[in-house]
Amino acid sequence: ILNVEQSPQSLHVQEGDSTNFTCSFPSSNFYALHWYRWETAKSPEALFVMTLNGDEKKKGRISATLNTKEGYSYLYIKGSQPEDSATYLCALDRGSTLGRLYFGRGTQLTVWP
Amino acid sequence: EAGVVQSPRYKIIEKKQPVAFWCNPISGHNTLYWYRQNLGQGPELLIRYENEEAVDDSQLPKDRFSAERLKGVDSTLKIQPAELGDSAVYLCASSLLRGNEQFFGPGTRLTVL
Repeated sequence: ILNVEQSPQSLHVQEGDSTNFTCSFPSSNFYALHWYRWETAKSPEALFVMTLNGDEKKKGRISATLNTKEGYSYLYIKGSQPEDSATYLCALDRGSTLGRLYFGRGTQLTVWP
Repeated sequence: EAGVVQSPRYKIIEKKQPVAFWCNPISGHNTLYWYRQNLGQGPELLIRYENEEAVDDSQLPKDRFSAERLKGVDSTLKIQPAELGDSAVYLCASSLLRGNEQFFGPGTRLTVL
């Protein structure tokens, strides 16, 4: 069993607050780390695919960093909005089982207006 | 471009009944995945297809689950007979090639009574 851990499990913030979540994973046999946003009743939406140690990616108010040597990734949301409310999933793609994603349990974010 | 299509979106059945889920991947995507998400958990891979060949089905409970991908396009996942523990969200995803970004459908939420 491969453990991909996400914390916190849930988060409630006020509109305008900035927030961040953590995804930790085994650092061996790393190929890529995926972040998805999953809104209720919709399809999971890919946010980032990160492959290089030290990688930083940004999409609007959302950004992510990657540390493959210590096995963690951070997702940041600057100035949270109610439409950011969703479950954020990270998933590990290992080189030895290329294509199979190992998901964490997700962080459920609720942004109150 | 149309996304991954799944049907039905919701299904409620009694235990011991059969059930089937259908997935139409993004046009041109060779790789198709079926995942199951149990309540409070991250999605877990059940089976992965490369064109019409099942190349990773180690997590598929083969006593009651079956899947097919005829002509390397649409796919069907079947459970017969369903058990209470099969209640979950069943997600289909596709990618252009193994290891590329995976695009997900909205899932089928199955409830077994």
